[in-house]
Amino acid sequence: QQPVQSPQAVILREGEDAVINCSSSKALYSVHWYRQKHGEAPVFLMILLKGGEQKGHEKISASFNEKKQQSSLYLTASQLSYSGTYFCGTENLLTGGGNKLTFGTGTQLKVEL
Amino acid sequence: DAGITQSPRHKVTETGTPVTLRCHQTENHRYMYWYRQDPGHGLRLIHYSYGVKDTDKGEVSDGYSVSRSKTEDFLLTLESATSSQTSVYFCAISESTGKYEQYFGPGTRLTVT
Repeated sequence: QQPVQSPQAVILREGEDAVINCSSSKALYSVHWYRQKHGEAPVFLMILLKGGEQKGHEKISASFNEKKQQSSLYLTASQLSYSGTYFCGTENLLTGGGNKLTFGTGTQLKVEL
Repeated sequence: DAGITQSPRHKVTETGTPVTLRCHQTENHRYMYWYRQDPGHGLRLIHYSYGVKDTDKGEVSDGYSVSRSKTEDFLLTLESATSSQTSVYFCAISESTGKYEQYFGPGTRLTVT
């Protein structure tokens, strides 16, 4: 079952902030965030692990609420280059490892001047 | 950028014909994955590999088979292509599990007529 992302789409003016949410019905081990520009491959942004460890982009922050199986990606002072589709990928505790991710359907973000 | 290539990059084939997509990596990463991406569905895992000759199914594996005879190559085969397999296929690699990101290849656009 895919995690649910919200919002599905958002339009920002340059400099504004945005929050993208990812919610799962399963107990999670990790949450990955990726950004994909049109016609390109997804690019890694962040990993958040059960227990609080994080790894990722310096200018992007995220949170992981293990009890609620939710993660949020925070984009502050948005730039034109932030435009793209953001995907969360979740690894649940029952998958037995292997970094097997289940991705959400994505959030389309557009930053305008 | 991680050294991942996919071939072919584009392919048009007829219903009922066999098709093989190739993923090649130069990073010596242990884990390799095949995803398909369709509008409204995000990325869905087809098969993955956790070592040479070690593979397992993902969430949408019906109609697909894989093989990995060398660390660097992961092949995805559609035994008898159907129109529902028209999609963009991405290969990804990961050094290990846990706090390791996945790096995606450039993708293969497959059209089954």
